[in-house]
Amino acid sequence: GDSVTQMEGPVTLSEEAFLTINCTYTATGYPSLFWYVQYPGEGLQLLLKATKADDKGSNKGFEATYRKETTSFHLEKGSVQVSDSAVYFCALKGSEKLVFGKGTKLTVNP
Amino acid sequence: DTGVSQDPRHKITKRGQNVTFRCDPISEHNRLYWYRQTLGQGPEFLTYFQNEAQLEKSRLLSDRFSAERPKGSFSTLEIQRTEQGDSAMYLCASSFGGTNSYFGPGTRLTVL
Repeated sequence: GDSVTQMEGPVTLSEEAFLTINCTYTATGYPSLFWYVQYPGEGLQLLLKATKADDKGSNKGFEATYRKETTSFHLEKGSVQVSDSAVYFCALKGSEKLVFGKGTKLTVNP
Repeated sequence: DTGVSQDPRHKITKRGQNVTFRCDPISEHNRLYWYRQTLGQGPEFLTYFQNEAQLEKSRLLSDRFSAERPKGSFSTLEIQRTEQGDSAMYLCASSFGGTNSYFGPGTRLTVL
């Protein structure tokens, strides 16, 4: 079945550092790919998405490119802030339901 | 705020008791989803509705679990004879026509 594997955490960075969180997927067909973020004490929020190969999703300085050849959707940000501290989930949607990775906890220190 | 709401936010119950959770989706959304999230894991799909019809159920949804969406608006998720393994965050999400899913804050269930 469909599955998502993402980088084990936790990840701890200093403010203004570069962030990469790796995500790879296994799916039949051509799924849509998503990054969701969960801030402490809050629900899941859609961060960005891409619906077809070579699409780049971007939001709030975060970017991810749908790479069909490597079945990847890595999340990047050039300069993280303390307010980016959260848990990040990579997900795919092949049919109706979302399939999530286990999440990566990011802590950004000032 | 017209986002997805869930009630209650927290529920503590004793093993063997029944519990019911409610989800109110975004008003124009015709699809409603339930997920379960345990500590350190990503959310796992349980079931979804299109309007009032329940179209798919995960194998995770044992016979003790039942979900309804009687008028195609709010939904309830009931767990009968709760077990300690049912302790988790229960998440509801809604979408219009299978586009972006918007999640509620979740109901955290603790079974003692």
